[in-house]
Amino acid sequence: GENVEQHPSTLSVQEGDSAVIKCTYSDSASNYFPWYKQELGKRPQLIIDIRSNVGEKKDQRIAVTLNKTAKHFSLHITETQPEDSAVYFCAARPKAAGNKLTFGGGTRVLVKP
Amino acid sequence: NAGVTQTPKFQVLKTGQSMTLQCAQDMNHNSMYWYRQDPGMGLRLIYYSASEGTTDKGEVPNGYNVSRLNKREFSLRLESAAPSQTSVYFCASSGSGSGNTIYFGEGSWLTVV
Repeated sequence: GENVEQHPSTLSVQEGDSAVIKCTYSDSASNYFPWYKQELGKRPQLIIDIRSNVGEKKDQRIAVTLNKTAKHFSLHITETQPEDSAVYFCAARPKAAGNKLTFGGGTRVLVKP
Repeated sequence: NAGVTQTPKFQVLKTGQSMTLQCAQDMNHNSMYWYRQDPGMGLRLIYYSASEGTTDKGEVPNGYNVSRLNKREFSLRLESAAPSQTSVYFCASSGSGSGNTIYFGEGSWLTVV
């Protein structure tokens, strides 16, 4: 089955700086890659996703890039703000897996004022 | 429109006791899921239901059973709780097909002593 690895596990940045989280996946048939944000004690919520036919997608201060050849994808947060502090999860979905996601282990991001 | 609702929010069980986590969604979604979340391990799929009347094992099904009661409801049962099942449990739902956003419930914190 699919295996997703996520790095780093924790990330501390100064407010206004950029944050980058990287994920690798094992199944070359994966074709959908969402990112979820989970604030402390809350549910995970989708913040951005990318499909395998696209190399990059942006939404205001967040962007995701995908390198299918290397089987890795990254989340970029620019101009970080204190409210960006949360745990971020990447996920991958193999085409044959129906709608089942495999998640990475998560990255705890702390934005220091 | 409440989205995905799960109960109870908190529960303490003794080893060997049984309990059922209830989940309901009001988004007319075909697919429903149960995930568990443990520190540093991300979200792991326990069971999945692609549609009413069907269920499928995920990554970590041992010790659990599920029932897709109807299109709205998907319950998770622990027949004989073990300390290793101490975790946060998330129910989720999505539309059918690859690429549909998965929406999570608020989570159920379960402690087995």
